[in-house]
Amino acid sequence: KNEVEQSPQNLTAQEGEFITINCSYSVGISALHWLQQHPGGGIVSLFMLSSGKKKHGRLIATINIQEKHSSLHITASHPRDSAVYICAVSTLNTDKLIFGTGTRLQVFP
Amino acid sequence: KAGVTQTPRYLIKTRGQQVTLSCSPISGHRSVSWYQQTPGQGLQFLFEYFSETQRNKGNFPGRFSGRQFSNSRSEMNVSTLELGDSALYLCASSLFGGVTYEQYFGPGTRLTVT
Repeated sequence: KNEVEQSPQNLTAQEGEFITINCSYSVGISALHWLQQHPGGGIVSLFMLSSGKKKHGRLIATINIQEKHSSLHITASHPRDSAVYICAVSTLNTDKLIFGTGTRLQVFP
Repeated sequence: KAGVTQTPRYLIKTRGQQVTLSCSPISGHRSVSWYQQTPGQGLQFLFEYFSETQRNKGNFPGRFSGRQFSNSRSEMNVSTLELGDSALYLCASSLFGGVTYEQYFGPGTRLTVT
């Protein structure tokens, strides 16, 4: 079993829909990162959080430390949101990033 | 402020050769981490350098090595290339060492080993 699991693996949506991507982890963490990767490979850090909730524009990230679960929400999705979204955790014991396998999102006009 | 830059962006090498990849962090950032991304294994941590010292290392063979210079620029080297080393190699910089600081990623170097 992977230490960081994401669901769903693939997601298609119509423009304007509300999107949720989930991340569960099984290790002790100091922080959780949400990353966005566009075709071509470049990765952008969207959020880093260790508790509660963060919001940036149409993106919202939440984390529940007790349940070892985080969600990334996209409100009013747009075709430019099409990308792979990757969850990664900073591990307590090793101070390394462990990555989920990513969620491929396609938003159609 | 300029972002993280990586050179070269694309590289084709033959099995058995060696390769050196370069990463220039954001100005003022002292930590550089390297990652390998493959379709089969996803993203995996290679190593982290902070103030010219290797601070942390992933589970990769000794063929993978790196270093960091006094200006925080970092290089990684892979010797005796194998077909399985074909991957996107990403570096990320942060202000301080450790992954509890926000990581800023470069565009990556796509290495193809034939």
